[in-house]
Amino acid sequence: NAGVTQTPKFQVLKTGQSMTLQCAQDMNHNSMYWYRQDPGMGLRLIYYSASEGTTDKGEVPNGYNVSRLNKREFSLRLESAAPSQTSVYFCASSSRSSGANVLTFGAGSRLTVL
Amino acid sequence: AQTVTQSQPEMSVQEAETVTLSCTYDTSENNYYLFWYKQPPSRQMILVIRQEAYKQQNATENRFSVNFQKAAKSFSLKISDSQLGDTAMYFCAFLSYNTDKLIFGTGTRLQVFP
Repeated sequence: NAGVTQTPKFQVLKTGQSMTLQCAQDMNHNSMYWYRQDPGMGLRLIYYSASEGTTDKGEVPNGYNVSRLNKREFSLRLESAAPSQTSVYFCASSSRSSGANVLTFGAGSRLTVL
Repeated sequence: AQTVTQSQPEMSVQEAETVTLSCTYDTSENNYYLFWYKQPPSRQMILVIRQEAYKQQNATENRFSVNFQKAAKSFSLKISDSQLGDTAMYFCAFLSYNTDKLIFGTGTRLQVFP
């Protein structure tokens, strides 16, 4: 099915370990986003990419890096994980090609940092 | 920088009644989109309704309608004839037309009682 695919769905890390969350979309969307969701905090934007080759910081970028590898893929990297990065991470993509914005979310990735 | 504020952490309503969820936002831009998303316990993000800022007419989708007050920067969601399946977290979101930056409020947890 067409949509946004995130991997892995679950991950447990130890403090200081690194990992990459992968996100891919097959809808030819221009923009892609990474959010984290914590209880009582809503979805907070980490980084976004409005087009292939560009990335911009969101509300909470510290401790993260991103790569927009191509139009389809947008990865999120934690270089040295901290317990404060325990969260559920969502990738999303959107396009305004049809004149109205269409936003599609992945199913989420639950990350626990011990 | 844009901000989205949802001042009601929790709301409850009886089945078949009407409830209104509040959202205010801050921006210096003139062109943008506003959204309401629903997140049931499954964590899936579901689009409820969308409003383009340049449109004067309030958007409606079946039992869901918005009261968009551009000058007041207010975007409330009205749910009519509430159903048990409406129980979920509801997020208000702002999308910049210029940058494609998409940010969310902290959410309102809605409980519909029989």
